[in-house]
Amino acid sequence: NAGVTQTPKFRILKIGQSMTLQCTQDMNHNYMYWYRQDPGMGLKLIYYSVGAGITDKGEVPNGYNVSRSTTEDFPLRLELAAPSQTSVYFCASSRGVGYEQYFGPGTRLTVT
Amino acid sequence: GQQVMQIPQYQHVQEGEDFTTYCNSSTTLSNIQWYKQRPGGHPVFLIQLVKSGEVKKQKRLTFQFGEAKKNSSLHITATQTTDVGTYFCAGYQTGANNLFFGTGTRLTVIP
Repeated sequence: NAGVTQTPKFRILKIGQSMTLQCTQDMNHNYMYWYRQDPGMGLKLIYYSVGAGITDKGEVPNGYNVSRSTTEDFPLRLELAAPSQTSVYFCASSRGVGYEQYFGPGTRLTVT
Repeated sequence: GQQVMQIPQYQHVQEGEDFTTYCNSSTTLSNIQWYKQRPGGHPVFLIQLVKSGEVKKQKRLTFQFGEAKKNSSLHITATQTTDVGTYFCAGYQTGANNLFFGTGTRLTVIP
């Protein structure tokens, strides 16, 4: 099992550009999550999904969109990138509430 | 809203010294999880505590869940350089679908 994979590993965006961060898991987990981690800080939840076709906002959803058309994939879309979105983005999955979360390796995004 | 605070924010120890990080929630948690993130890496699950007053050990690591299920601690005995990283607690509020992560404690071990 590859676990949770994320692409790209690194990306530099100009202000106003858009991009999609990809996340795929092969553990057949229903729950998937997107977090951002600013330098030296903790994890803030952006969006999460409890199953295909179902998504919900987390703590910091503004400026982001998600979709969940399959169990495996949970892409995160950034529209009109801003410098405040410079961060490391982690995707995670779990079997459900109360279970451990498995994290991908992260995408390091810089917006200049 | 839900807040999970950890203290200290940073800790430097000499190799061989003990280390403790404390986690405090503003609300009662149904369970608490601990994760470790190595520098430049991603969070990795360590353990989960569910019962009030529960204590679990993993080799040199001891995890405790408070009686009121609002606080937790992680204690490392005789730290090693491999213990370097940031330790996060994370808890589920009863009825919630998502984990609330603590602010983290960054541990540096001086050889």
